[in-house]
Amino acid sequence: QVQLKESGPGLVQSSQTLSLTCTVSGFSVTSYHVSWVRQPPGKGLEWMGVIWSGGTTLYNSLLKSRLSITRDTSKSQVFLKMNSLQTEDTATYYCARGFYEFKYWGQGVMVTVSS
Amino acid sequence: DIQMTQSPPVLSASVGDRVTLSCKASQNIKKNLDWYQQKHGEAPKLLIYYTNNLQTGISSRFSGSGSGTDYTLTISSLQPEDVVTYYCYQYNSGPGTFGGGTRLELK
Repeated sequence: QVQLKESGPGLVQSSQTLSLTCTVSGFSVTSYHVSWVRQPPGKGLEWMGVIWSGGTTLYNSLLKSRLSITRDTSKSQVFLKMNSLQTEDTATYYCARGFYEFKYWGQGVMVTVSS
Repeated sequence: DIQMTQSPPVLSASVGDRVTLSCKASQNIKKNLDWYQQKHGEAPKLLIYYTNNLQTGISSRFSGSGSGTDYTLTISSLQPEDVVTYYCYQYNSGPGTFGGGTRLELK
């Protein structure tokens, strides 16, 4: 069955770089796009970016300068890297299959940015 | 990027009420809109895709409509388990964007 699972550090220092991994199973990242979505505590959802099945990317304009999404197709993994973290980047980070009709989501990983 | 505005941010209603949630886009999104339900501490769940298509396994009391810049999610008869938060999401052009959400509460 289709599964996605995020992993990464729970705590990151401000100004540092966040690195998260989304490990997928039940589908190929060369056949489906994978998006990243985040949610600060008590706030709404924010679409961050997508890596298309072909390997190119599209980012939220507000995050574009700090964000990079890549993948390792042999490991069925998608990576998120975001630099220059601030406390406002504290959030639960989700990966989801697709660019719309998000039927499948990971459980999310909570990341706290400490000053 | 296209901006999505949901209203109201909080909606109070009673069990059995017909409830309508609104989502307005900053430009024509040509029905390229999904609706998601999110319970506290869980990942969002897809309810409606492409404006008015009910996702498999979702109760028929949920329905979606709209065109152009204005879209609605309707719950025909509110149930206690529906009292959570709802988000619209557009994917018409450029980056995707979520609305700010509408949280339902019991009156």
